[in-house]
Amino acid sequence: DAKTTQPPSMDCAEGRAANLPCNHSTISGNEYVYWYRQIHSQGPQYIIHGLKNNETNEMASLIITEDRKSSTLILPHATLRDTAVYYCIVRVAVKTSYDKVIFGPGTSLSVIP
Amino acid sequence: DSGVTQTPKHLITATGQRVTLRCSPRSGDLSVYWYQQSLDQGLQFLIQYYNGEERAKGNILERFSAQQFPDLHSELNLSSLELGDSALYFCASSLGTPGDTQYFGPGTRLTVL
Repeated sequence: DAKTTQPPSMDCAEGRAANLPCNHSTISGNEYVYWYRQIHSQGPQYIIHGLKNNETNEMASLIITEDRKSSTLILPHATLRDTAVYYCIVRVAVKTSYDKVIFGPGTSLSVIP
Repeated sequence: DSGVTQTPKHLITATGQRVTLRCSPRSGDLSVYWYQQSLDQGLQFLIQYYNGEERAKGNILERFSAQQFPDLHSELNLSSLELGDSALYFCASSLGTPGDTQYFGPGTRLTVL
C-alpha cells in the first residue's frame, strides 16, 4: 500500500500558485519525500525531493513540516502545461536490500484558464 | 527528455502470444525498474535490476520475466498474454544508490486483442 495520502483532484487558476498537499504520517527518519508528475500518458517526470529541509528548484518548491508527517508541493505560477497527475512518494535514503517504489493514485491537478 | 529510451512505442498482439519490451537506461545508471500502468490499477512496480542482478520484486506475474544485460539495457518478457495485460509499461533508471532519483522512459503501450 502507498504510504502517502493525497486529495484525488484539485483546480488552480492559471498564473496562480498551486499548492498540493501530501500526508505521510508514518514516514521514517531515513525516508525521503519525492514528487513526480505524469502528463496524460507520458512517463512520470521527476519534480523534486527532500528529507527534512525545504527545497526549491526551477520547477517547484517543497515544504516539509517540522514533524515530517506532511508536505506541500508548490508550483509558483501554474500554467496550462502543469495540468497533470502529481504523485507524492516516500523512499528510503539508506542502503537497503531493495528499493520498491509504491505510487498511490496521486492528485489530478487541473489548471484553469 | 529523460534519457531513458523504450522500444517499441506501441505493440498490438493477440491473446496467448509472447512479447519483449526493451529499455535502455540513462548513461551511467546501473539500476533499471519496470512498472505497469493500467486504467484501473495505477502505476504498479514490477521489478528492479541493479548491474545485471535482480534487486527487488513487486507484483510481477509468473508469466512475466525480466533481465538486465551486461550493457545494462533491460528486457521485459510477457508471455501467454491475456486481455488484462493491456497497459502502459514504463521503464525507469537510476544510479542505483538507495533513495536516488528514478528517471522514467516514455513507455510502451501494449494492446492485447
